[in-house]
Amino acid sequence: DAKTTQPPSMDCAEGRAANLPCNHSTISGNEYVYWYRQIHSQGPQYIIHGLKNNETNEMASLIITEDRKSSTLILPHATLRDTAVYYCIVRLRGTSYGKLTFGQGTILTVHP
Amino acid sequence: NAGVTQTPKFQVLKTGQSMTLQCAQDMNHEYMSWYRQDPGMGLRLIHYSVGAGITDQGEVPNGYNVSRSTTEDFPLRLLSAAPSQTSVYFCACHGGSSGANVLTFGAGSRLTVL
Repeated sequence: DAKTTQPPSMDCAEGRAANLPCNHSTISGNEYVYWYRQIHSQGPQYIIHGLKNNETNEMASLIITEDRKSSTLILPHATLRDTAVYYCIVRLRGTSYGKLTFGQGTILTVHP
Repeated sequence: NAGVTQTPKFQVLKTGQSMTLQCAQDMNHEYMSWYRQDPGMGLRLIHYSVGAGITDQGEVPNGYNVSRSTTEDFPLRLLSAAPSQTSVYFCACHGGSSGANVLTFGAGSRLTVL
């Protein structure tokens, strides 16, 4: 699996967009980018994933650069409840059998 | 639709005791897995299953045992608890290749071994 690099922590004001970066310079052509988050003491929650096109769902948007070496998760209007650890994971689709590797992630703190 | 249910939520054991952490899912998903999370660290895979009767080891399997007799249940057994097994344990499931890597996690079981 491609290694990912994320900043250890970020801050964001409530109501503003939170942009969480992830570097995955060794990603291969058929590996997907997945984002999860973990709110304190809870189980991780799936957010979004993508291959090369930008993706959007009810929770967030995922922007993947054209060379696919980095991506950004965007929470368009961050709330206090978005304070969590955000994990960026790169994986081949369909082969992991649930064997995801969670690194240290980015601690996002949303301030009032 | 509860998703993934883990019991107990909290447990305190003495060194050498054995116990089973229960995990049940009502999503009819083939794949299930167990992770542990130590303070300030990411999740590490203990064991996983790709279907009833089929299990395999993850990254940190020592000291744990699993079985999968039904699609719904995937219990994790601690054979002889050690303080190093103090952790939060998460069970997860996903629906196979069409939803691969999109895991649904339980709320966790917090285990303390004295």
